[in-house]
Amino acid sequence: DGGITQSPKYLFRKEGQNVTLSCEQNLNHDAMYWYRQDPGQGLRLIYYSQIVNDFQKGDIAEGYSVSREKKESFPLTVTSAQKNPTAFYLCASKSGGANVLTFGAGSRLTVL
Amino acid sequence: QKEVEQDPGPLSVPEGAIVSLNCTYSNSAFQYFMWYRQYSRKGPELLMYTYSSGNKEDGRFTAQVDKSSKYISLFIRDSQPSDSATYLCAMTTDGGFKTIFGAGTRLFVKA
Repeated sequence: DGGITQSPKYLFRKEGQNVTLSCEQNLNHDAMYWYRQDPGQGLRLIYYSQIVNDFQKGDIAEGYSVSREKKESFPLTVTSAQKNPTAFYLCASKSGGANVLTFGAGSRLTVL
Repeated sequence: QKEVEQDPGPLSVPEGAIVSLNCTYSNSAFQYFMWYRQYSRKGPELLMYTYSSGNKEDGRFTAQVDKSSKYISLFIRDSQPSDSATYLCAMTTDGGFKTIFGAGTRLFVKA
């Protein structure tokens, strides 16, 4: 079945450590997105990528980095510079002409 | 002011009630309007998708868009406990790459 796979589902990190969240899609979608979800704040856009080897900052990119070396993959690194990284992270994708996003199941990051 | 405003609730209703969920927005360029349903600790899934103004019905769900008032609604008829979830409104412009989400409304349907 086509879809988006995010891993790990749960991740614990000590302060000062970088962590990388994986996002893989087999939908042949061109665009991929990373959102952060906090209680009562909805989804906030971190980074997005429209094509391979190109990506743009979203509304809250500080302390995060991404890469898009393959169409299927869009990993997100949460760096030690992110001051409040504990959150639920969602990866999404859509095809070039579409307006509807398909989401993965999410990754819950907790900083200890 | 946020581009999209949505009351986070929570909203608690008895089984069988009609539920009304709403969002307002400020950007008149929005053309595509979506409602996503998100169960606890899961990713959002598309529930309804509407282009421009008008109504769309799918089973127990009806989505309404009033562009003149910059107001969208989702109605759930004969609500069920399985409808208990967070409902997120979302919208985007024609050809836009960024989708803007509301805060999400938590809905509880009591048996």
